[in-house]
Formats: sequence, C-alpha cells, structure tokens
Amino acid sequence: IAGITQAPTSQILAAGRRMTLRCTQDMRHNAMYWYRQDLGLGLRLIHYSNTAGTTGKGEVPDGYSVSRANTDDFPLTLASAVPSQTSVYFCASSSSGDTGELFFGEGSRLTVL
Amino acid sequence: GQNIDQPTEMTATEGAIVQINCTYQTSGFNGLFWYQQHAGEAPTFLSYNVLDGLEEKGRFSSFLSRSKGYSYLLLKELQMKDSASYLCAVLDSNYQLIWGAGTKLIIKP
Repeated sequence: IAGITQAPTSQILAAGRRMTLRCTQDMRHNAMYWYRQDLGLGLRLIHYSNTAGTTGKGEVPDGYSVSRANTDDFPLTLASAVPSQTSVYFCASSSSGDTGELFFGEGSRLTVL
Repeated sequence: GQNIDQPTEMTATEGAIVQINCTYQTSGFNGLFWYQQHAGEAPTFLSYNVLDGLEEKGRFSSFLSRSKGYSYLLLKELQMKDSASYLCAVLDSNYQLIWGAGTKLIIKP
C-alpha cells in the first residue's frame, strides 16, 4: 500500500538515550516533515526537507536532528532524550514544499522516562 | 505572532448539521486547509480553500473569507463515524503550515 511508514509505532525510552524514528515514503514526494503533537496544542513542526539533500528547522528543532540522504527516507534523531520529548511524532510528506496538502504516517508514540 | 483559533470541543446529534469555526492571523496567506483526525490516528486531508467562498465535497463543505480571516467547516447529515478532531491550518507567506489546536467533535445518538 502506497504511503508513509513510520517505525517504531510506540517506544518507551530512558532519559539520556539516543533514539531514531524512521520514516519512509513511496510516493516520490519531494517534501517531508516531522511534527510533534501534544495534548491541547496544534501540530508543531520540528524539521522539514523540501527536497533530497536539504533540510530546514521548524518551530521546535532543539534536541532533534534529521537527514535526507534520498527522496524516500527522512529519519528523526533524538541525540539525548529528555522527558519533555514525550509526545506523538508524525512524519508527513507532500508533492512539493509549497502545498498544504500533507500525507501523514500513522505516528510514533514516544515516552521518555 | 501567528495564531489560529478554533473551539476546543463541540457536541452534535447524529443526523444534524454542525459548523466548526476557525479564525486566523498569519503572516500572509496561501490557502486554508481542514484535516480530520480520529483518536489515535493520523490526520487526513479534507479540504482546501484559497479563494473566498464555499467549497462543497459531499457531506462536507468549507467556507473562506480572507478579509475577515475566517473559515468554517460544515458537516451535514452527521454520522457517528464523524466523531473526530478537526484541524484548521493556514499556509503562510513562507509556505509554512500554521496549525490550530483542533476541535474535538462528539456525536451523540
């Protein structure tokens, strides 16, 4: 089934550990995004990539890094997890960086203890 | 600053009509989007407005007034499966999506 695949779907992590959330799309979309969603808040953009080889910082980038080595993959890394990074993380893609029609993965629920 | 406001929660009856409002103040405007998100699931795209007026898509319609910074999502003939959160988002002048916190819609039989 075409779309976006995220892994893991759920993870409990000790504070201070390194964690990478994986995201793969097979729609050949140019733009990809990482959001976090917390109760009572709107989706907040962490990092984005408008095309393979380029990345940019969103609204809440601190503590996170990304890479975009190819069109399909856009992993998100937490170098040293902290409890405030407990959240649901959504990866999304769009055909280009100037459209608001996004396709989302199913989300990764991360708990940092 | 940029801001999108929508009610936190609304309740409606199965078979009825409900209107979910969204007001926005953003740096520029390149379109307004509505997404549906069922509990525990990913958001899915519902509608897009860039010009003033009403866009109809089956039971769902979305309205935009750019001069008033206002939009609404109208859901007709409500079904239990419409119970979800509805997210309003605006594409600003830098083509960044600014998201509202979402409106949780509860449908009662």
